[in-house]
Amino acid sequence: EPEVTQTPSHQVTQMGQEVILRCVPISNHLYFYWYRQILGQKVEFLVSFYNNEISEKSEIFDDQFSVERPDGSNFTLKIRSTKLEDSAMYFCASSKGQNIQYFGAGTRLSVL
Amino acid sequence: AQRVTQPEKLLSVFKGAPVELKCNYSYSGSPELFWYVQYSRQRLQLLLRHISRESIKGFTADLNKGETSFHLKKPFAQEEDSAMYYCALSGVSGGYNKLIFGAGTRLAVHP
Repeated sequence: EPEVTQTPSHQVTQMGQEVILRCVPISNHLYFYWYRQILGQKVEFLVSFYNNEISEKSEIFDDQFSVERPDGSNFTLKIRSTKLEDSAMYFCASSKGQNIQYFGAGTRLSVL
Repeated sequence: AQRVTQPEKLLSVFKGAPVELKCNYSYSGSPELFWYVQYSRQRLQLLLRHISRESIKGFTADLNKGETSFHLKKPFAQEEDSAMYYCALSGVSGGYNKLIFGAGTRLAVHP
C-alpha cells in the first residue's frame, strides 16, 4: 500500500539555522499539507498546497516558513531561521481531494 | 470558531469492557467528522469518517448534529485497541480542506 514518506525522522538544529523537512506524497495525490504537533499539544494545521501554490495557511505559518514542490515527487517545508518554539513533530499529509488525508510518520525537529 | 473537544486525555478500561471516546465539535456549517488513530510508533491513520457510516475494527461513530458530537464506541475493547485516538473535522466542500484536530484521547486496554 502506498505511503507518505518523510525524511529525516529526526532533525536536530541550532537556533537560527535553516531546516528543510522533506516529504514524498502518495504519487497520484493532488493536495498536500503540513501539520505540526508540539509535545503534549494538539496536531495543528500549518499549510495546504494545490496546483503549485498555497491554498490555505494558518497564522502559525509566518514569513519564516515556506513550502515548495521542487519536482514531481517531493514536497518540502523550509523554516528559515529556527526558534526554540519550532521544536515539534511535523507531519506531512496528502489527499486525492476526497477529504481523506494520508499522513507520513513525521519528522521530529529539535531546536537547541 | 472551529473547534474539536475531546474531554478525556486518558481512558483506561479492561479487555472486554465497552468503550466510548467522546468528541464534541463547534463549526458554522456542515463539517465532515473523522476519527484518526495512532498506534505506538506508527503514523496517524484514518479509522473512520461519518459519511461512510461503517464499522472499522468494531468501532462505530454516529454524528449527532443536535448535540454536535461524534463519539467513538466499541462494545468490547481489545488489548490491541490501545492507542491514541484523535477526533477531527473538515469543511465539507471537498478538495483541500484542512483538518482541525482535538487534543486526543489515549485509550489503554488492560488484560
